[in-house]
Amino acid sequence: DAGVIQSPRHEVTEMGQEVTLRCKPISGHDYLFWYRQTMMRGLELLIYFNNNVPIDDSGMPEDRFSAKMPNASFSTLKIQPSEPRDSAVYFCASSPSRYQGFAFFGQGTRLTVV
Amino acid sequence: GEDVEQSLFLSVREGDSSVINCTYTDSSSTYLYWYKQEPGAGLQLLTYIFSNMDMKQDQRLTVLLNKKDKHLSLRIADTQTGDSAIYFCAESIGGGSYIPTFGRGTSLIVHP
Repeated sequence: DAGVIQSPRHEVTEMGQEVTLRCKPISGHDYLFWYRQTMMRGLELLIYFNNNVPIDDSGMPEDRFSAKMPNASFSTLKIQPSEPRDSAVYFCASSPSRYQGFAFFGQGTRLTVV
Repeated sequence: GEDVEQSLFLSVREGDSSVINCTYTDSSSTYLYWYKQEPGAGLQLLTYIFSNMDMKQDQRLTVLLNKKDKHLSLRIADTQTGDSAIYFCAESIGGGSYIPTFGRGTSLIVHP
């Protein structure tokens, strides 16, 4: 397996534009997580899914953020409209059923909003 | 305060031992983990320990758990320049959900 695959690796966009980040989890993993990493706040859990169903989105900063998982092999995190304070590295991770701490992370998407 | 706390930086000389420390607040933690993040990469699970263990050794890595003080440490023997990275401590509680809570990470700098 190629691991968790995220795209794009880097994204530079202008304030107000829509941004879509993509993730392909490891096949067979039941849990998918979206994290955001910044110098100020460290690693924050935004949302996680179990069997494609969103379980906890309490970490999503505001309504501008939305996440979907239409099937077991694909998830998106969308920001609309984007703001400079959304600049961060966004990680997707997946883990096998129940042992969510044993997570496998993608390489991340570095988002810069100017 | 934060649930999992770590110091932000540690600098060691190549060949010395590194000890990265972590404190956590929830006494019902079931699993405790150490993740490693190399520059430009995602986090990678390095090792873990069950809460009913005191110590775990894996080649150059030694994990010590002091449940009374809620203190976890990671010792890297014979530290190499390739060990330079950010090390994250994480805990998960259990009880049906094992979602980990991460610390802020400790940047380990290894100099010749």
